[in-house]
Amino acid sequence: ILNVEQSPQSLHVQEGDSTNFTCSFPSSNFYALHWYRWETAKSPEALFVMTLNGDEKKKGRISATLNTKEGYSYLYIKGSQPEDSATYLCAFGGGLSARQLTFGSGTQLTVLP
Amino acid sequence: DTGVSQNPRHKITKRGQNVTFRCDPISEHNRLYWYRQTLGQGPEFLTYFQNEAQLEKSRLLSDRFSAERPKGSFSTLEIQRTEQGDSAMYLCASSLVGSGKSYNEQFFGPGTRLTVL
Repeated sequence: ILNVEQSPQSLHVQEGDSTNFTCSFPSSNFYALHWYRWETAKSPEALFVMTLNGDEKKKGRISATLNTKEGYSYLYIKGSQPEDSATYLCAFGGGLSARQLTFGSGTQLTVLP
Repeated sequence: DTGVSQNPRHKITKRGQNVTFRCDPISEHNRLYWYRQTLGQGPEFLTYFQNEAQLEKSRLLSDRFSAERPKGSFSTLEIQRTEQGDSAMYLCASSLVGSGKSYNEQFFGPGTRLTVL
């Protein structure tokens, strides 16, 4: 059983604050690490797919880093806005089957105006 | 066709009834996945199809669950004799494999929320 963990479980920040979340995953048989953003009543939206150790990806105010040797990824949000409120999920692609994704339980972010 | 669609979005049923959900993937995608998400957890893999062939099933998929993708396009997930423990969000995703990418990027639908009373 693959263990993908995310922390914190939930987070409340003020508008304008910067924040970051952690995703830890098995360091063996790594294939890819995915970050999704999931707003209530909508489809999970793909943010990043990261495949190489040391990868850094950025989309607007959101960025992510990847360390496959120690098995962790960070997601950063700079200058949080209320519209950033969502659940952020990371998913590990690897292990015995590189086809399915193994998800963490998510970090629920609430940005207060 | 701009994304993965799922119907119905919500389903309330009584214990013991059968339910069926439908997923329409992105049209050119050859892989289709079903996941289940319960409160406080991330989505858990149930099964996936490559075209019309069901290639992998999770141990979570009991014999009351059956999935089909008859023509390699839309898929249905049926749950027979529903139990209260089946209450969850059922998510469908699709991907295009063999497009030259080295990873499997999955695109998700909005899910069907099942409540079993």
